[in-house]
Amino acid sequence: EAGVTQSPTHLIKTRGQQATLRCSPISGHTSVYWYQQALGLGLQFLLWYDEGEERNRGNFPPRFSGRQFPNYSSELNVNALELEDSALYLCASSRAGTLTGELFFGEGSRLTVL
Amino acid sequence: AQSVTQLDSQVPVFEEAPVELRCNYSSSVSVYLFWYVQYPNQGLQLLLKYLSGSTLVKGINGFEAEFNKSQTSFPLRKPSVHISDTAEYFCAVRGGGQGFSFIFGKGTRLLVKP
Repeated sequence: EAGVTQSPTHLIKTRGQQATLRCSPISGHTSVYWYQQALGLGLQFLLWYDEGEERNRGNFPPRFSGRQFPNYSSELNVNALELEDSALYLCASSRAGTLTGELFFGEGSRLTVL
Repeated sequence: AQSVTQLDSQVPVFEEAPVELRCNYSSSVSVYLFWYVQYPNQGLQLLLKYLSGSTLVKGINGFEAEFNKSQTSFPLRKPSVHISDTAEYFCAVRGGGQGFSFIFGKGTRLLVKP
């Protein structure tokens, strides 16, 4: 069974540009979570999608947005990139409808903003 | 709001020594607790989880954790560490009024020295 896959692995952008990161969940999982892991700040919750809807959002500005497609894959968009957006972006998936299920993580997409 | 506190940002320990990584959460209602490990340049991998029942839970790689409701703690322990245990460890909580959201601590870097 394939795990959570993320692309691209690495992405280099300059300030002001836009970045798009993609995530495919494990087959059968309908919930997708996005986290930002910046140096020294741990995992900061960004967005949670389930069944195509945004269910919750972390304390990030509106230039961080995303969506979930009918096949449950997801996209994270970061507009007007700033230097401090440089981080590892982790996607995770889980089965919906149960609090006892764990998150399964992808390997992450490392975004560097120059 | 729900929160998770990992009191130690880094824990150095010699190989074959025991280790305990601390984790405290803030909630007066039922929660589900998880420990994840992140090896360099990788995503997060589940070590163990507490859902209900016995307060002592055993995970992979010889790790175990004990749920203490009165102290709202969930410390991770290993009786004898190996060099290969060097990694970042994250405590996470789900539930407790936050619904399906996962809240992570800032992580503890375990550094095993020869």
